[in-house]
Amino acid sequence: GQSLEQPSEVTAVEGAIVQINCTYQTSGFYGLSWYQQHDGGAPTFLSYNALDGLEETGRFSSFLSRSDSYGYLLLQELQMKDSASYFCAVDGGATNKLIFGTGTLLAVQP
Amino acid sequence: DAEITQSPRHKITETGRQVTLACHQTWNHNNMFWYRQDLGHGLRLIHYSYGVHDTNKGEVSDGYSVSRSNTEDLPLTLESAASSQTSVYFCASSDLKVPADGYTFGSGTRLTVV
Repeated sequence: GQSLEQPSEVTAVEGAIVQINCTYQTSGFYGLSWYQQHDGGAPTFLSYNALDGLEETGRFSSFLSRSDSYGYLLLQELQMKDSASYFCAVDGGATNKLIFGTGTLLAVQP
Repeated sequence: DAEITQSPRHKITETGRQVTLACHQTWNHNNMFWYRQDLGHGLRLIHYSYGVHDTNKGEVSDGYSVSRSNTEDLPLTLESAASSQTSVYFCASSDLKVPADGYTFGSGTRLTVV
């Protein structure tokens, strides 16, 4: 089976840096994805890591360590609009479907 | 512009009724997915399809069915609605089997079973 763990809530202040961790257990693994969801709206794709290391996209970066079954999403220069839920997701096995974690609610305070 | 649309946005139904939620995408994506979202559980996969006439069960498929007769649509049917199926339902689509380019999600259907 597959399971993912991420913190349920994180609080940070505007302008700061925050890291959201994700650990996973899978029977097969191809990559780790991150999605953002505002107020129950449609989740939107942020990043995908298939190889170890850091991928940077603007203020957001995502990291993967396959040997540690661990990844994180790094958000820099936090803005109020970054307040949202963030989900990590793994794909693996023969079918490559995405299995999501339970999400981390990020609250950015002024 | 290409899009993925779900209908209805909100639905209230009675226990035991059959309900169908629609999902339509104009991305020409081969892959389509149905998830449900509940507090404390994140997004859980119900059914998915990799192409016309292909359907597969996800982790929480009991009580649900799908059919794929064309590329654009993957309707989700609740055969006999139960209160435990009160949830927000999201449809998604993607191009590649390996989700490197991400899934595109619809805006969701909020279903209440009374």
